[in-house]
Amino acid sequence: DGGITQSPKYLFRKEGQNVTLSCEQNLNHDAMYWYRQDPGQGLRLIYYSQIVNDFQKGDIAEGYSVSREKKESFPLTVTSAQKNPTAFYLCASRFRLSNTGELFFGEGSRLTVL
Amino acid sequence: QQPVQSPQAVILREGEDAVINCSSSKALYSVHWYRQKHGEAPVFLMILLKGGEQKGHEKISASFNEKKQQSSLYLTASQLSYSGTYFCGTRVLIKAAGNKLTFGGGTRVLVKP
Repeated sequence: DGGITQSPKYLFRKEGQNVTLSCEQNLNHDAMYWYRQDPGQGLRLIYYSQIVNDFQKGDIAEGYSVSREKKESFPLTVTSAQKNPTAFYLCASRFRLSNTGELFFGEGSRLTVL
Repeated sequence: QQPVQSPQAVILREGEDAVINCSSSKALYSVHWYRQKHGEAPVFLMILLKGGEQKGHEKISASFNEKKQQSSLYLTASQLSYSGTYFCGTRVLIKAAGNKLTFGGGTRVLVKP
C-alpha cells in the first residue's frame, strides 16, 4: 500500500543533541513538506521541497535542516540551535504539478526534549 | 503569512450547523481544508481553486471568495464524527511561492449528542 512513513513515532532527546526524523513516501510524489504542531496550535511550515536536490525554507526554518537526495526521502534534522524543539512533527507530500493534488500526511513524530 | 481562522472553537449539538472562516492577507491561488482527529494525522476534505467555487464532501461544503481572499467551511446537520480540528491551508498567487502551503491556526469543533 502507498503512503508516508515517519519514524520514530516517539523520540526523547537531551538538550544540546541533534536528532533526525525520517520521512519516506512511496506515492511517487514530487513535493514534500515538514510541519510543526504545538499543543492546541496550527501547522507551521518548517521546510518544503518541490524536487530532488532542492528545498525552500518555510516560516519557522531556524534551528532545522533538511536534505532531499532521493525523491522518496525528506529527513528533518532538529539541531541544538532550535530553542524549543518539543513538538509534534508532521511530514506530508503531494504531486507538484497537480492543481487538485491533496496533501498526504504521515502519522507524525513526537519529539520531547528532556 | 498564515491565514487566519475563526472561530477558534465551536461546540455544537448533533444536527446543528456551523461555519468556519479562513482569511488571507494575500491573493490566493487555492484553499485546502483538512480535518484532524485527536492524536491522528490531518485528513484531506477538499480543495477550492476558483473564486466563488463551492465544493462538498458529504454534508460538509465550502466556498471561496476570491475577491475577499476568504474561504468558508459549512458543517451542515453535524454528526458526532465531525468532531475534530479543522485547518485551512492556502497557496498564494505568487510564482516564487511555488508549492508552499501554509495553514491557519485551526478551529476545534466538538459535536455533542
